[in-house]
Amino acid sequence: NAGVTQTPKFRVLKTGQSMTLLCAQDMNHEYMYWYRQDPGMGLRLIHYSVGEGTTAKGEVPDGYNVSRLKKQNFLLGLESAAPSQTSVYFCASSNGRQTSYEQYFGPGTRLTVT
Amino acid sequence: AQSVAQPEDQVNVAEGNPLTVKCTYSVSGNPYLFWYVQYPNRGLQFLLKYITGDNLVKGSYGFEAEFNKSQTSFHLKKPSALVSDSALYFCAVRVRMSSYKLIFGSGTRLLVRP
Repeated sequence: NAGVTQTPKFRVLKTGQSMTLLCAQDMNHEYMYWYRQDPGMGLRLIHYSVGEGTTAKGEVPDGYNVSRLKKQNFLLGLESAAPSQTSVYFCASSNGRQTSYEQYFGPGTRLTVT
Repeated sequence: AQSVAQPEDQVNVAEGNPLTVKCTYSVSGNPYLFWYVQYPNRGLQFLLKYITGDNLVKGSYGFEAEFNKSQTSFHLKKPSALVSDSALYFCAVRVRMSSYKLIFGSGTRLLVRP
């Protein structure tokens, strides 16, 4: 039981390049989330998904796209990277049951855009 | 609007002494509150939650938190700090009208000195 995994762990992009971050969970959770973490700002929600085939915008969605083709996977795409997207990205999942709102996090992806 | 505040950027405490990490919140309706810990270069780990019931909630690694409705606070506590407790701590609150989104505070760095 690996929990939530993220690939890659590190990536350096040049401005304008594109990339996809992959998140996978093996807990059969319905809900998945993408956050970015910046110093002094906590975690900010980028996009989330409440089930396979559904996605929605979070607090800071501009410049990102997502897809949830399979229940266990949640992909975050950057079509044209900008230096402002330099951050640490975390994926999380939760089962959404009434007494289980806590989210479980992956180890993160550190992205630098030059 | 829902929000959560962690008024201290850093808390310093000597090993063996009690520690408190502060969190206040603003939500409509009944709050669902969470504490997470982040060790260097790791994802967030769930510590404990308050949904309903006893105001004193016990969690992992000997941590506990006290829900105070009148003061809208949910402070994290531990009777005797360990050097290994040194980490970044985040308070989070469930967003009203949504059973799955959380808003995170900006984080408090706990430093426990030997």
